[in-house]
Amino acid sequence: GQQLNQSPQSMFIQEGEDVSMNCTSSSIFNTWLWYKQDPGEGPVLLIALYKAGELTSNGRLTAQFGITRKDSFLNISASIPSDVGIYFCAAYTGNQFYFGTGTSLTVIP
Amino acid sequence: EAQVTQNPRYLITVTGKKLTVTCSQNMNHEYMSWYRQDPGLGLRQIYYSMNVEVTDKGDVPEGYKVSRKEKRNFPLILESPSPNQTSLYFCASSPGEGYTFGSGTRLTVV
Repeated sequence: GQQLNQSPQSMFIQEGEDVSMNCTSSSIFNTWLWYKQDPGEGPVLLIALYKAGELTSNGRLTAQFGITRKDSFLNISASIPSDVGIYFCAAYTGNQFYFGTGTSLTVIP
Repeated sequence: EAQVTQNPRYLITVTGKKLTVTCSQNMNHEYMSWYRQDPGLGLRQIYYSMNVEVTDKGDVPEGYKVSRKEKRNFPLILESPSPNQTSLYFCASSPGEGYTFGSGTRLTVV
């Protein structure tokens, strides 16, 4: 299947710091999505992006749909302990979803 | 409440003993899918279904079967489970552009 390259694989940060992660692909997608997975639970949708260049916020989270349609970025500002979890990017072609391998975020109080 | 319900949450079984993991959604979504999640490999798609009686293989379909006789249900069947199918499984449904995931089934095959 198509590959989404997500980085970094893991992050350890101090509470209050900003976080950035990204996802790239060699393929063009119509939609980019960002999910968060808490331990023992299924992934939950955070932000959906539908247009190249689009910048969308959800509270302290901001995501962008890359202008080439081959990448996307997620930023978390002023991290708090409950931000801990695994963040996944996902991309949609119109009939298929693809997921990145995840970024594990640890926030140190 | 809109949700995807999968059962059981935890299952330990022995090699070769057929099992079924059920998945049901109450959102009238046409698209449903099964994923397995393994450390370092992320979410890998097993099977998906675009609608009733329409199913297709994902990236890792070997050793699994699915059926879609009704829109709301999409069971995952392991006819002869093997230890390499020990994993965390997620069912998900979508109206087209974003998934709703179930809470997961942690399967251990010994």
